[in-house]
Amino acid sequence: DTAVSQTPKYLVTQMGNDKSIKCEQNLGHDTMYWYKQDSKKFLKIMFSYNNKELIINETVPNRFSPKSPDKAHLNLHINSLELGDSAVYFCASSSTAKGAGAQPQHFGDGTRLSIL
Amino acid sequence: DQQVKQNSPSLSVQEGRISILNCDYTNSMFDYFLWYKKYPAEGPTFLISISSIKDKNEDGRFTVFLNKSAKHLSLHIVPSQPGDSAVYFCAASSTGTASKLTFGTGTRLQVTL
Repeated sequence: DTAVSQTPKYLVTQMGNDKSIKCEQNLGHDTMYWYKQDSKKFLKIMFSYNNKELIINETVPNRFSPKSPDKAHLNLHINSLELGDSAVYFCASSSTAKGAGAQPQHFGDGTRLSIL
Repeated sequence: DQQVKQNSPSLSVQEGRISILNCDYTNSMFDYFLWYKKYPAEGPTFLISISSIKDKNEDGRFTVFLNKSAKHLSLHIVPSQPGDSAVYFCAASSTGTASKLTFGTGTRLQVTL
């Protein structure tokens, strides 16, 4: 029973294509995130949604469009893929319930995107 | 501008000894700190965290120490086990930034027999 699951695990595609990565969490969390790990292994926040509302957008190109159909899902659609988009993309979730204090984020296993 | 730094890219420790991983930060607004462990082809797994109101938090073999004046935290693993071999990431966040985590670049720990 995976807590945060992403599909696909690997994605190989050509420059200029459009692709989507899906993420689902079964932890009952209200906040979900997308992170990008680049070739230098640096993990950086891209987006965050709380209860389907966008709350963080870290100056990511508008070719990237997150979509949250409900609290348990946060998908990432990428248009016109470029070579520099090659990276590992991680989805994460956490609870931000009031009174709970800061809570850790739980990560999926990542989607390795390779652009040819 | 890297606000969370892990200056040791790798560390090798013998089984049974103590592993000490270090992390420095520059943003004084950070008030929540976490350590994650990552195996190849897997996502980061949460290990232990500490709030800025504390200076130590312990969970089994893992202890995190926070020195706010030095803007430094460390993770102690004792005794180290071969299964601890992984990349360890330090992360930080501040209240009011919607739980955005800022990560360090990671330290690869190798526990040898």
